[in-house]
Amino acid sequence: AQSVTQLGSHVSVSEGALVLLRCNYSSSVPPYLFWYVQYPNQGLQLLLKYTSAATLVKGINGFEAEFKKSETSFHLTKPSAHMSDAAEYFCAVSAGMEYGNKLVFGAGTILRVKS
Amino acid sequence: ETGVTQTPRHLVMGMTNKKSLKCEQHLGHNAMYWYKQSAKKPLELMFVYSLEERVENNSVPSRFSPECPNSSHLFLHLHTLQPEDSALYLCASSQATGPYEQYFGPGTRLTVT
Repeated sequence: AQSVTQLGSHVSVSEGALVLLRCNYSSSVPPYLFWYVQYPNQGLQLLLKYTSAATLVKGINGFEAEFKKSETSFHLTKPSAHMSDAAEYFCAVSAGMEYGNKLVFGAGTILRVKS
Repeated sequence: ETGVTQTPRHLVMGMTNKKSLKCEQHLGHNAMYWYKQSAKKPLELMFVYSLEERVENNSVPSRFSPECPNSSHLFLHLHTLQPEDSALYLCASSQATGPYEQYFGPGTRLTVT
């Protein structure tokens, strides 16, 4: 089965600092990978996705993620944190045809941005 | 309306009540999903519909009954719920089932008293 591990349930950074949210996956087939963000009392919003094209994927709000097959990682980064980035972030992997191609989500990482 | 909408946004119900959650997608997608999001637990996939046909039911108790009358609408009928069913219920849609991004609604915050 495919799975996602997000290291760190809470991450705290200062405004203007680098944001790094970690995601490692396991997959028996080439994966499709996604990052979503959830603001309080809202649904999940797609930040970016990897679909086997370029390994460095740029998303919305200045976020990007790099697919590293050798490390089975898909970490999310942003060069300079903004207060509005405070939210919960979810990494997800598409589970492959044998699992109905459904998305498997990580447990989430809450990002806190300090002024 | 754009994207995926859900009504109501908040719902409080007793354990003997019957209520329904509604989801509508305005994206022309063919697949729709119900998820349950509880505090401190990973997102749980409940049901998947593809072209109005249920293609997945993840061992969800029968007190939750989904309905998909057409590709734009999805309902979740609730009856005789338990307090542990209190959660945020999220609806999502995608182009099709498969490795496609899913678009989520804002959710319904359900409290069972």
